[in-house]
Amino acid sequence: EAGVAQSPRYKIIEKRQSVAFWCNPISGHATLYWYQQILGQGPKLLIQFQNNGVVDDSQLPKDRFSAERLKGVDSTLKIQPAKLEDSAVYLCASSLEPGPPHEQYFGPGTRLTVT
Amino acid sequence: GDSVTQMEGPVTLSEEACLTINCTYTATGYPSLFWYVQYPGEGLQLLLKATKADDKGSNKGFEATYRKETTSFHLEKGSVQVSDSAVYFCALTPDSNYQLIWGAGTKLIIKP
Repeated sequence: EAGVAQSPRYKIIEKRQSVAFWCNPISGHATLYWYQQILGQGPKLLIQFQNNGVVDDSQLPKDRFSAERLKGVDSTLKIQPAKLEDSAVYLCASSLEPGPPHEQYFGPGTRLTVT
Repeated sequence: GDSVTQMEGPVTLSEEACLTINCTYTATGYPSLFWYVQYPGEGLQLLLKATKADDKGSNKGFEATYRKETTSFHLEKGSVQVSDSAVYFCALTPDSNYQLIWGAGTKLIIKP
């Protein structure tokens, strides 16, 4: 079974530029998550999709971050414009069902450096 | 609100030593509990889980027991290897919603 795919793996941009990340979840997984992981911290949920609908985006900085999941499969996360504090690893995860025990499968992440 | 607290790292041990990484939680009801591991340069992987009180999760020689009375889920291994060097995250999902709540992670360094 193929895992969660993410691209790119690394990205370096200057502040005020825009960037986009792509995620392809495990086939058949209805729920998709985007997390931000700052060095030395646990992941922070940015947005959760159930199929192509948003379940929770309460911690997404909507003035600069946006995400979509067209057709309920792949997803993209965009930052525009980027700030220095956006430097982090952006993780995508998927799960078969949203309910307990809620096992999530993670991609390798995209390491973003904003200079 | 719900939260997870785990011991600060880094934890440095010699190969074949015994390991315990402490994890305690605050949550109402009966959350599900998890340990995830992040090896250098890789994504997060589920290591083990427990979904109800007194359950023991185990995998790759690691164990953790869901202790409702002490609200703990400590990670243990009897004999660590260099290949166990990684960052370990304790996490929970409340029984009221879908979201993972994470500890800050504990970096484990095993020296040969």
